[in-house]
Amino acid sequence: QVQLVQSGAEVKKPGASVKVSCKASGYTFTSYYVHWVRQAPGQGLEWMGMIHPKGGITTYAQKFQGRITVTSDTSTSTVDMEVSSLTFEDTAIYYCARETAIVYHYMDVWGKGTTVTVSS
Amino acid sequence: DIQMTQSPSSLSASIGDRVTITCRASQSIRNYLNWYQKKPGKAPNLLIYAASNLQSGVPSRFSGSGSGTDFTLTISGLQPEDFATYYCQQSYYRLPTFARSTPPTFGQGTKLEIK
Repeated sequence: QVQLVQSGAEVKKPGASVKVSCKASGYTFTSYYVHWVRQAPGQGLEWMGMIHPKGGITTYAQKFQGRITVTSDTSTSTVDMEVSSLTFEDTAIYYCARETAIVYHYMDVWGKGTTVTVSS
Repeated sequence: DIQMTQSPSSLSASIGDRVTITCRASQSIRNYLNWYQKKPGKAPNLLIYAASNLQSGVPSRFSGSGSGTDFTLTISGLQPEDFATYYCQQSYYRLPTFARSTPPTFGQGTKLEIK
């Protein structure tokens, strides 16, 4: 079945970097965009960035420009997101999501989420 | 960026009730509006896309309407599993680089609680 499987929880110190992985299966990996969305404790959903695995084109939210890098590996059907210079405010659950974009765009398949805790 | 504003922020209702959640966009997004359900410890789940299209597998008690700047999500006949937080999201953008458009944005969420 179509699914996105994310890497496990991480605990990092302020100033460190974290890489979260998202492995796709059950569909043609290179035909769909993959987005990253996070939810901090008690907060709403926040879009961070996206990639099209076929050409590797990326776009990031202005808030995260210069601090996140999203890459894809078509040989393993995996999308990675690295966030650098972590602060306590980056403590959140990070989700990857597939976007279906034929006429309309919508995120129809989501990973279960990866908890990233920034703690000293 | 296009701002999405939901109302109310929270809502109490009983099993069997009909509830409506509103989402307003800061500019016209035609019908490029999606609704998601979010439960604690679970990933968001797509309910409605393009304002009024029910995602496959979603119960028919969920419905969406609206266009332009004003949209609604209606749940007819609340079930215990429907108590969750609901988010709208605008998808009025051009891929792959969002040229002359803005990236996806979510409303702040509406928490639906049991009365």
